[in-house]
Amino acid sequence: EAGVTQFPSHSVIEKGQTVTLRCDPISGHDNLYWYRRVMGKEIKFLLHFVKESKQDESGMPNNRFLAERTGGTYSTLKVQPAELEDSGVYFCASSIDPSGVADTQYFGPGTRLTVL
Amino acid sequence: DAKTTQPNSMESNEEEPVHLPCNHSTISGTDYIHWYRQLPSQGPEYVIHGLTSNVNNRMASLAIAEDRKSSTLILHRATLRDAAVYYCILRADSNYQLIWGAGTKLIIKP
Repeated sequence: EAGVTQFPSHSVIEKGQTVTLRCDPISGHDNLYWYRRVMGKEIKFLLHFVKESKQDESGMPNNRFLAERTGGTYSTLKVQPAELEDSGVYFCASSIDPSGVADTQYFGPGTRLTVL
Repeated sequence: DAKTTQPNSMESNEEEPVHLPCNHSTISGTDYIHWYRQLPSQGPEYVIHGLTSNVNNRMASLAIAEDRKSSTLILHRATLRDAAVYYCILRADSNYQLIWGAGTKLIIKP
């Protein structure tokens, strides 16, 4: 069974440019999460999809970030325009258990974003 | 959300047991205790979780104090591959998200 995949693995862009990160969850997993770790800080939750619907986007830092999950399969996270403080590692995770609390989240390897 | 406290780092010798502590004195009755780990340059990885009783799986054991205010992740025989940052996370009934602390960096000496 394929795990969670993320693309690209690394991205280096200039401040003000746009970047789109992609996450392919494990097949059949309705829950999809985005997290990120900025340099020297702890991993922080960004948002949670259930199928194509945003269940919780309380962690999205500002309106420069836009997440979509059309058709309830893969998800994209677009940053437009990127700022220096957006640099970090963006992780995607997926899970299957609708009850939430006891479920296991499976993480991708992350996308390292560097904004110059 | 209930918070956890873990030592910043621990060292252990290869092939010896490792006990990673976590304090969560403000845990509520329905909070699950989850452990994840992150190996270098990889995404986090689920290790184990429990509510009240001790739990075992192929990776580790989780010992939960009777009052649930602390727990211990036990790696029975650590290998070099177990060198990682280990996170103890409480998940409330209404929370799908994982709330991460700084974790414990486990160093395994050959």
